[in-house]
Amino acid sequence: SQQGEEDPQALSIQEGENATMNCSYKTSINNLQWYRQNSGRGLVHLILIRSNEREKHSGRLRVTLDTSKKSSSLLITASRAADTASYFCATGSGGYNKLIFGAGTRLAVHP
Amino acid sequence: NAGVTQTPKFQVLKTGQSMTLQCAQDMNHEYMSWYRQDPGMGLRLIHYSVGAGITDQGEVPNGYNVSRSTTEDFPLRLLSAAPSQTSVYFCASSSPRNTEAFFGQGTRLTVV
Repeated sequence: SQQGEEDPQALSIQEGENATMNCSYKTSINNLQWYRQNSGRGLVHLILIRSNEREKHSGRLRVTLDTSKKSSSLLITASRAADTASYFCATGSGGYNKLIFGAGTRLAVHP
Repeated sequence: NAGVTQTPKFQVLKTGQSMTLQCAQDMNHEYMSWYRQDPGMGLRLIHYSVGAGITDQGEVPNGYNVSRSTTEDFPLRLLSAAPSQTSVYFCASSSPRNTEAFFGQGTRLTVV
């Protein structure tokens, strides 16, 4: 079974709007990571937040982590058409930091 | 840097055939793993390796074998392909530190 579950499954917004995606997980983690996948391509790492961190920023991305609720959110501000992709959260746990992925959120940003 | 390289990019197999999906990384990462991605789903872990000579099973290991004779290479073997193994396969590598994984571009496999 998958560790992370993203919500919503699909999101459609206009350029310039903000996009928020949520991820919930079940067990203790070392870190939580967000990846992006363009159609038919490999995954690209966006941002990593460690279990002892609560918020992290990278450019237009803002990630929060609430370990008490076992949840995370990814905010993309001022969305662009080029942000259209699927976004996956992945939890890293154990000594190997094994990554377990959620089913993803499909984001469509319309010009 | 080439990063993580997977070959082939596309493959069609007949049921019962065997094949090996190749994965190579040039970042000297100790950790490597194989995932499969089915339509509308995330990635599911098949097998992983924490170093040369060390492998372990992930969530969905049945029907797949792996070995790790060098740091650079981590091939995935399908011994007797089944239609249920039709999927996109991704290889990834990472360092032992608490860092991100780097993914290959994927192998799209169809078993007929």
